[in-house]
Amino acid sequence: DAKTTQPPSMDCAEGRAANLPCNHSTISGNEYVYWYRQIHSQGPQYIIHGLKNNETNEMASLIITEDRKSSTLILPHATLRDTAVYYCIVSLGSARQLTFGSGTQLTVLP
Amino acid sequence: DSGVTQTPKHLITATGQRVTLRCSPRSGDLSVYWYQQSLDQGLQFLIQYYNGEERAKGNILERFSAQQFPDLHSELNLSSLELGDSALYFCASSGRRNEKLFFGSGTQLSVL
Repeated sequence: DAKTTQPPSMDCAEGRAANLPCNHSTISGNEYVYWYRQIHSQGPQYIIHGLKNNETNEMASLIITEDRKSSTLILPHATLRDTAVYYCIVSLGSARQLTFGSGTQLTVLP
Repeated sequence: DSGVTQTPKHLITATGQRVTLRCSPRSGDLSVYWYQQSLDQGLQFLIQYYNGEERAKGNILERFSAQQFPDLHSELNLSSLELGDSALYFCASSGRRNEKLFFGSGTQLSVL
């Protein structure tokens, strides 16, 4: 699986959009980009995933660049409960275990 | 609530002992995954089972073993415990398409 690079920490004001970047320059054509988050010591929570096209669900939006070498997770209106470690993972997806890196610690400030 | 149940939530034991962690996957999920999270190592994949059979192995020590039973629940057995085995152990399950992992709330193991 391709390796990802994320900033170790970011702050965001409550109510504003949180934009979390991820670089995955060695991604191959059939690898998906996944985002998970982990709030304190709870189990990681799936957020969103995509292959080429931008994706949106009730939690977030995922923007993947045309060359697929980077992506951005967008939380449109961050709340204090969004404070967590966010993991960007690149994987073949189906029937594969995910490899978690060190992620980005997002702190939403009041 | 992810639908994945792990017991116990906390476990305190001594070095050299053996413990069993239990996981019940979401209803209908055939795949079960075990992860270990320690302060210095982050989230490490240990092993995956699919419908009772081992499917993939990660950084699992020989002292550790797992199995998945016909009712699809899984157990992770940790033996000859060492101080360094103290960690959060997570179980996750996924559905037929294996697109998303649903994690349980974890078992905090403390080896004293």
